[in-house]
Amino acid sequence: DAGVIQSPRHEVTEMGQEVTLRCKPISGHDYLFWYRQTMMRGLELLIYFNNNVPIDDSGMPEDRFSAKMPNASFSTLKIQPSEPRDSAVYFCASSLSASGEQFFGPGTRLTVL
Amino acid sequence: RKEVEQDPGPFNVPEGATVAFNCTYSNSASQSFFWYRQDCRKEPKLLMSVYSSGNEDGRFTAQLNRASQYISLLIRDSKLSDSATYLCVGVTGRRALTFGSGTRLQVQP
Repeated sequence: DAGVIQSPRHEVTEMGQEVTLRCKPISGHDYLFWYRQTMMRGLELLIYFNNNVPIDDSGMPEDRFSAKMPNASFSTLKIQPSEPRDSAVYFCASSLSASGEQFFGPGTRLTVL
Repeated sequence: RKEVEQDPGPFNVPEGATVAFNCTYSNSASQSFFWYRQDCRKEPKLLMSVYSSGNEDGRFTAQLNRASQYISLLIRDSKLSDSATYLCVGVTGRRALTFGSGTRLQVQP
């Protein structure tokens, strides 16, 4: 298995632009998680899905952030409009259960100028 | 107060040393605990689960103290390759994993 796949690996954009991050979970994993990691705040859970349905989005910072999972093999995290404070590494992870081992993708390093 | 708190370090230790990290959690209903390892500019990876009875995996020992609400990770005979950030993780109810901010370990030759 290729593991969790994320794209792009790096994204540099200007303030106000729309950013879309993509994730392909491990096949057969029913849970998908989006995290954001910064030096100041560490690793924060933004949202997670079970069987393509959002279960907990209480970590999504504000309405500029949205996430979708149209099918079991694909999810997107969108930021519109982006702001410099959104600069961070965004990880996607998948697992067989909400409380079990999570397998992380390599992350997307986002820089908003 | 954060749900899971760790000393950020860094812990600088010589090769061969024994080092221990503690992590405290605030929610007594927390059900499961893990230690993850994260190398610089890489993704976190599971190091080991933490069981109530304690568990050992080679040079690594994890323990849970529910009365005092902390978990610990002990690394014996430190190797240069152990240098990384160690993330303490807890699970509470419907909430998925809650990660601590990590403790950085630097093993020196």
